[in-house]
Amino acid sequence: QVQLQESGPGLVKPSETLSLTCTVSDGSISSYYWSWIRQPPGKGLEWIGYVYYSGSTNYNPSLKSRVTTSIDTSRNQFSLKLSSVTATDTAVYYCAGGDYAEYFQHWGQGSLVTVSS
Amino acid sequence: QSALTQPRSVSGSPGQSVTISCTGTSSDVGVYNYVSWYQQHPGKAPKLMIYDVNKRPSGVPDRFSGSKSRNTASLTISGLQPEDEADYYCCSYADNYVIFGGGTNLTVL
Repeated sequence: QVQLQESGPGLVKPSETLSLTCTVSDGSISSYYWSWIRQPPGKGLEWIGYVYYSGSTNYNPSLKSRVTTSIDTSRNQFSLKLSSVTATDTAVYYCAGGDYAEYFQHWGQGSLVTVSS
Repeated sequence: QSALTQPRSVSGSPGQSVTISCTGTSSDVGVYNYVSWYQQHPGKAPKLMIYDVNKRPSGVPDRFSGSKSRNTASLTISGLQPEDEADYYCCSYADNYVIFGGGTNLTVL
């Protein structure tokens, strides 16, 4: 069973860059599409974007100007950077993986990131 | 792009069936057979229940089924059990990105 674990700061200041990393436990980093999905407190899910093991990426059009995803297959990790954050970026951020980009079979436990000064 | 439309809440008694709808447009649900459904219990990560409209991942009970007609997808849960009480989200591929529904809270009475 693929296990995912998010890591990164839980508090980010407004206008700064949010950075998260997801570690894939079993070496299957080259097998799936790896996505980031977020959920503001008490609200629904929002897809942020994905990175494939080849390095190809795709992003939510509403966030595209601020998002970068990358992958390091040697470390079994993929990462998210979201720039110029505001309070509306406060959310639980999930990393997830799937056979295809459009669904998500494996999920991390989620990492709460709060944007506040 | 707007979120897919789901009812805010549905309810049913143990043993009954419930259906949750997910309405999109001709740019997402209506044109792609890439609809998935997720179950989320409070404080937990979502779990994939249905993908490609009506396929179940290994381990998901066959009480869960999915369908689609034109721009609306549906998740049906038959033989409701107390542990089915959760939030449910639909999701669709849409012209090179992915869009979720707003979520439906299922109460098992």
